Amino acid sequence: GEDVEQSLFLSVREGDSSVINCTYTDSSSTYLYWYKQEPGAGLQLLTYIFSNMDMKQDQRLTVLLNKKDKHLSLRIADTQTGDSAIYFCADSIGGATNKLIFGTGTLLAVQP
Amino acid sequence: DTAVSQTPKYLVTQMGNDKSIKCEQNLGHDTMYWYKQDSKKFLKIMFSYNNKELIINETVPNRFSPKSPDKAHLNLHINSLELGDSAVYFCASSHLDSYEQYFGPGTRLTVT
Repeated sequence: GEDVEQSLFLSVREGDSSVINCTYTDSSSTYLYWYKQEPGAGLQLLTYIFSNMDMKQDQRLTVLLNKKDKHLSLRIADTQTGDSAIYFCADSIGGATNKLIFGTGTLLAVQP
Repeated sequence: DTAVSQTPKYLVTQMGNDKSIKCEQNLGHDTMYWYKQDSKKFLKIMFSYNNKELIINETVPNRFSPKSPDKAHLNLHINSLELGDSAVYFCASSHLDSYEQYFGPGTRLTVT
């Protein structure tokens, strides 16, 4: 079945850039997403990229997609302590069901 | 003006009991979902309903029964609760084939 993998933990200093990586197995992905989960909260959609794009920039966020290697990354510029959270990438198995397959989540810890 | 709401936020109950979790969305979406997040933060889809019809039914024990009385509500009933059912359950909604799913704040279920 579909599989989405992420590294479990990333620690950066405030002001540095963070890069969170994700690999997926499904070749028929339509959209790929990044969600943020703060402690005790639900998931918030940060950004998404359509599978025919290779880059998307949205303020401090840059998403890179390498479809050949099935690799997705999220870069956060000028990381702040408020960015500390778990980040999930998700793969959309489209068609009629819009089913999301989530990665294992990466805990981003921002040190002041 | 909450978009996706769930009740209760916390639920502590004993093994063998039957319990329900409710979800409501006021976004006018036609599709609703239940996800389970386990203690390791792994997030997996359980069910999806579109216009009150079941469209995704993952490998979930049949002790779990979703019910959608109308497009704005999707409830989850769990019979004969087991320790392994302890998790955070998230409801989400979207338009079918939309790129964005909106998540509720989650219901933390603890089975003792």
